[in-house]
Amino acid sequence: AQKVTQAQTEISVVEKEDVTLDCVYETRDTTYYLFWYKQPPSGELVFLIRRNSFDEQNEISGRYSWNFQKSTSSFNFTITASQVVDSAVYFCALSEAPQGGANNLFFGTGTRLTVIP
Amino acid sequence: DAEITQSPRHKITETGRQVTLACHQTWNHNNMFWYRQDLGHGLRLIHYSYGVQDTNKGEVSDGYSVSRSNTEDLPLTLESAASSQTSVYFCATGTVELPATNEKLFFGSGTQLSVL
Repeated sequence: AQKVTQAQTEISVVEKEDVTLDCVYETRDTTYYLFWYKQPPSGELVFLIRRNSFDEQNEISGRYSWNFQKSTSSFNFTITASQVVDSAVYFCALSEAPQGGANNLFFGTGTRLTVIP
Repeated sequence: DAEITQSPRHKITETGRQVTLACHQTWNHNNMFWYRQDLGHGLRLIHYSYGVQDTNKGEVSDGYSVSRSNTEDLPLTLESAASSQTSVYFCATGTVELPATNEKLFFGSGTQLSVL
């Protein structure tokens, strides 16, 4: 069965610190997709990244970077030089193929990040 | 700009009443989804639709129904609201880039529903 664990419920950092949000997943499929979404105080979920199981290259987008390690079933998200605008709840999610599609998208419980000015 | 509009943003209702939450999108996406967000559970899928006249049950569909009469709208109906359905509800839409490939989801801003 699929499962996504975000063990960190809440994290607080001071502005300009780096912070890593952990995501550990479980799946029996060899083909699957991993996602990160951001939920700012306004409420809506914002797509950040999608990664398929065959691509273990780490990705960097500005201050954001993602470390995908199949050996440890982890897909961690690092924010470098955090800013107050990064304060949000961040969700990691897993979708399995071939049934996969958003109908088979399983979310973690989220990590609330607070960046203190 | 294309968008997803959920209404109302906040709703208070009484146990046993029928409630309908609206979701309207201008992305022209075929795929639409309803999720509920509860503390300690993250987001859970209620119902989804892959096109007009298509509806499917998700993980937590009991007590909910949807209908898809056009591309733009997927209203979510609580047939007889229960206190356990107090939650934040999110509508999402997505594209299918390839068959059986996972699409990127776009979420609405949510509806806070309180059942008293």
